[in-house]
Amino acid sequence: QKEVEQNSGPLSVPEGAIASLNCTYSDRGSQSFFWYRQYSGKSPELIMFIYSNGDKEDGRFTAQLNKASQYVSLLIRDSQPSDSATYLCAVNPLKTSYDKVIFGPGTSLSVIP
Amino acid sequence: SQTIHQWPATLVQPVGSPLSLECTVEGTSNPNLYWYRQAAGRGLQLLFYSVGIGQISSEVPQNLSASRPQDRQFILSSKKLLLSDSGFYLCAWSEGVSGNTIYFGEGSWLTVV
Repeated sequence: QKEVEQNSGPLSVPEGAIASLNCTYSDRGSQSFFWYRQYSGKSPELIMFIYSNGDKEDGRFTAQLNKASQYVSLLIRDSQPSDSATYLCAVNPLKTSYDKVIFGPGTSLSVIP
Repeated sequence: SQTIHQWPATLVQPVGSPLSLECTVEGTSNPNLYWYRQAAGRGLQLLFYSVGIGQISSEVPQNLSASRPQDRQFILSSKKLLLSDSGFYLCAWSEGVSGNTIYFGEGSWLTVV
């Protein structure tokens, strides 16, 4: 069983629309959740992290966490062509003394002008 | 502020040749350090992590090795490369406290021919 799952996509949305990216995880005790953006050929860069149930907003990005459902999502409002990238969900189960963050396979997002 | 650099950015190596990728972190002390690999169209695979000088843990058996000769220096090596070693190699760091965010270097593209 995969530990962190994401729809591989590609997810296509028109410019200005809301893009919704979803992620589920298997370890119910997980405590830290991250979203990274990775442009083609580049390294992942952190967009947001979330620790508590509910929503966390940062500009056009909103992360949503539901620990009971083991579900975390990322909403991108007013999507721009520059948002076209692969989005990686990452989960830290905190079972060890180091940050063994587990990454999902990523969802490819394409924003159509 | 903290920065991470890895090099070389790109390399093409023949099968059976050695490999050395280097990574350094600035602006922090005693970071956790990581080497990840991302094969074409695949997710991130954790190869090695280190919580201190000389402390290396391997996640996946392979012909690669890692060393941490100094607090903020992490090296990925191989004595004899295989075709399957081709991929995008990412060095990363996090603060030495569980639950903190992982930050990636620029990445190194390795093509084994």
